[in-house]
Amino acid sequence: DAKTTQPNSMESNEEEPVHLPCNHSTISGTDYIHWYRQLPSQGPEYVIHGLTSNVNNRMASLAIAEDRKSSTLILHRATLRDAAVYYCILRDPLDGNKLVFGAGTILRVKS
Amino acid sequence: GAVVSQHPSWVICKSGTSVKIECRSLDFQATTMFWYRQFPKQSLMLMATSNEGSKATYEQGVEKDKFLINHASLTLSTLTVTSAHPEDSSFYICSAEFSGGSYEQYFGPGTRLTVT
Repeated sequence: DAKTTQPNSMESNEEEPVHLPCNHSTISGTDYIHWYRQLPSQGPEYVIHGLTSNVNNRMASLAIAEDRKSSTLILHRATLRDAAVYYCILRDPLDGNKLVFGAGTILRVKS
Repeated sequence: GAVVSQHPSWVICKSGTSVKIECRSLDFQATTMFWYRQFPKQSLMLMATSNEGSKATYEQGVEKDKFLINHASLTLSTLTVTSAHPEDSSFYICSAEFSGGSYEQYFGPGTRLTVT
């Protein structure tokens, strides 16, 4: 399985932007980059995904490096409700679309 | 849209008994569902891939005879923990893959299993 590397934890102030990095140097050409987040005692929630181009949705933006070996999830204005564990995951349609979760990044948001 | 439910949300059972957990996609069809388990302060671990109308595919190290998976319809998959023991106590989470082409996965809220 392709692996991702994320910082263990990050801290942000409320109402400020947050940039969550993810390294995936062994990414293959068919891997999609997915981001999910999980609040305590809840199932993961889909945030965003992309293949090559940067992506925006109502929750966040995803910036993908030109060589695709890294990506950054951008929360434009962090709120207390954004405090969660964020997972960067590579999904390969040729491998059953499985999502293999790593350790993720614990995001703490200060008021 | 894209809601996945799990039932029960929590269950306590005695050692040696079996427990069934249901995973339903409420507003979409899911040819494929996935089952995960999560221990406290750890990440999700994929247990198996459940395909409608066929046998589940188990990840390495997961006992297929202990964790029985049935995917009888496009909206329902069940996980049965047979002869549960205290070490099976965990948070079990399912996800359903949208069959409409985008292959997005939507997760259920999880089931907390405690075996006494």
